[in-house]
Amino acid sequence: EVQLVESGGGLVQPGGSLRLSCAASGFTFSSYWMHWVRQAPGKGLVWVSRINSEGSSTSYADSVKGRFTISRDNAKNTLYLQINSLRAEDTAVYYCASPNGLGGFDYWGQGTLVTVSS
Amino acid sequence: DIQMTQSPSSLSASVGDRVTITCRASQSISNYLNWYQQKPGKAPRLLIYAASSLQSGVPSRFSGSGSGTDFTLTISSLQPEDFATYYCQQSYSTPSWTFGQGTKVEIK
Repeated sequence: EVQLVESGGGLVQPGGSLRLSCAASGFTFSSYWMHWVRQAPGKGLVWVSRINSEGSSTSYADSVKGRFTISRDNAKNTLYLQINSLRAEDTAVYYCASPNGLGGFDYWGQGTLVTVSS
Repeated sequence: DIQMTQSPSSLSASVGDRVTITCRASQSISNYLNWYQQKPGKAPRLLIYAASSLQSGVPSRFSGSGSGTDFTLTISSLQPEDFATYYCQQSYSTPSWTFGQGTKVEIK
């Protein structure tokens, strides 16, 4: 059974940092690109970042470019999102997701909540 | 960037109704269009990929159609468990997998 389990969220002050993790199991993690998607409270889904299977290529939404860094450890089957210089507008549930190879994201974690507030 | 616009933003329907949700892309995205269902407090669930392909395990009352800029998600006979928010997503213009703003389907 495929499982994605996020962790690392919490309450952080503006300007602070967090590292989110997504532990994967039940599939060959090292073969798949991975994504982060976020959802602010009461709002819609927003794609944040993606990384290729080897970890050698990344991309980001303009709103997080320069502040967020996606990475992965294929030996540990774990995806990461380092989030720096946090702003109130970064408050959201952050989901990791894996693509089905045909465009859609077929597996999602349960999400981890990041709250940016003083 | 490609913008995705869903309509309506919300709708009220009864069990057994046929429901159609529309998604329009700001430029042609061929058939690179996916649909998701999300219930409160839960992660999204992939329903349809590549505009019209039903994801494994998704009931056949869900269907998708369209290509280019205009797409539809149809629920042929609404069931109680279908009350949720639905999102479209384009996967044509990467690296930005843009979502629509969502359509909330509520009980009439």
